Amino acid sequence: GDSVTQMEGPVTLSEEAFLTINCTYTATGYPSLFWYVQYPGEGLQLLLKATKADDKGSNKGFEATYRKETTSFHLEKGSVQVSDSAVYFCALRGNSGYSTLTFGKGTMLLVSP
Amino acid sequence: GAVVSQHPSRVICKSGTSVKIECRSLDFQATTMFWYRQFPKQSLMLMATSNEGSKATYEQGVEKDKFLINHASLTLSTLTVTSAHPEDSSFYICSAEPAKNSPLHFGNGTRLTVT
Repeated sequence: GDSVTQMEGPVTLSEEAFLTINCTYTATGYPSLFWYVQYPGEGLQLLLKATKADDKGSNKGFEATYRKETTSFHLEKGSVQVSDSAVYFCALRGNSGYSTLTFGKGTMLLVSP
Repeated sequence: GAVVSQHPSRVICKSGTSVKIECRSLDFQATTMFWYRQFPKQSLMLMATSNEGSKATYEQGVEKDKFLINHASLTLSTLTVTSAHPEDSSFYICSAEPAKNSPLHFGNGTRLTVT
């Protein structure tokens, strides 16, 4: 079945540091890939998405590129802020027509001033 | 943008009582909604798929009689935790799809504490 693996956290960075959160997946066919963010005490918000190979999703300075050859969708940001502290989930949706998502376990990001 | 509202955000109940959680799509119709449970250390588990006008589809290992799901309209799905026990304490999150193949939108979750 489908699965998503992301790096374990917490990831601790200083403000303005470069961020990478690794995400790899296993799926048949051509899934759609997503990054969601969860701020403390809240639900999940869609951060960015990519629906086909080589697509780059971007939002709020974050970006991720759909790499089919390496089955990866790593999240990057050039300069993190304290307000980026949250849990980040990588997820995929298969192309079988079933709408639900398969999530990674989440990576907590802590950014200090 | 598409908004999913979940209520209540927090609830504390005594062991043996039942708790109802509502999930509403505020600006779109959702024939399908999804209920997740979030365990400590963040992992999300899909509990069930709620289908408007028909029975919910439960994931393996989820007790249908304990977690009752009703999707009576195109904008409302409810999850009732029946005869709650402390081990049911968790963060429950619903989601809905504004249009076919569009990204899922999530509610803000409900923190259930059973004492």
